[in-house]
Amino acid sequence: DSGVTQTPKHLITATGQRVTLRCSPRSGDLSVYWYQQSLDQGLQFLIQYYNGEERAKGNILERFSAQQFPDLHSELNLSSLELGDSALYFCASSVGLDTGEQFFGPGTRLTVL
Amino acid sequence: TQLLEQSPQFLSIQEGENLTVYCNSSSVFSSLQWYRQEPGEGPVLLVTVVTGGEVKKLKRLTFQFGDARKDSSLHITAAQPGDTGLYLCAGEEAAGNKLTFGGGTRVLVKP
Repeated sequence: DSGVTQTPKHLITATGQRVTLRCSPRSGDLSVYWYQQSLDQGLQFLIQYYNGEERAKGNILERFSAQQFPDLHSELNLSSLELGDSALYFCASSVGLDTGEQFFGPGTRLTVL
Repeated sequence: TQLLEQSPQFLSIQEGENLTVYCNSSSVFSSLQWYRQEPGEGPVLLVTVVTGGEVKKLKRLTFQFGDARKDSSLHITAAQPGDTGLYLCAGEEAAGNKLTFGGGTRVLVKP
């Protein structure tokens, strides 16, 4: 158990819909990262938040957005969903700004039908 | 094109055999991590290497960071079925920058 929690574990929805994925980092960790993992793309970095502020952006679509709240939990919002958005979405956390050592949650499997 | 290339993509061996997984790049990394991921779970951090030429051992796993900090290898001695999983290397190009993952090596150790 990494100490990072993610909900829900599974999510099935239809194209065009909007969903919110939730992540709680390890106690004491200030950085939260979101990743997308699909079979053909591997693990792709989406976005990082540090202590409530956006820190770095990766290959995140404009239809996707995230935020980190004062209690440090984070949410990833995915809208206008497409079939290709079906993937595993992972949240990870680390103590500070150094992105080297990250602790991953169990992931949310999103299926868009 | 992956910034970090892992090879092989898939490895199937018998219990007791040795294996090596490679992680190569043309970029220099300030640190490099190895993770193992099992089906339906998130990646689990195994080790971090930061110094060129560094060698770290974790029981039967040996990790090496290249002298130029562009490549790394993971060697497993006397593999066991419990070593089965997806091994991912990840590099941090500069302190505080994003982490880039390799495509992964899927290892299957048959009893």
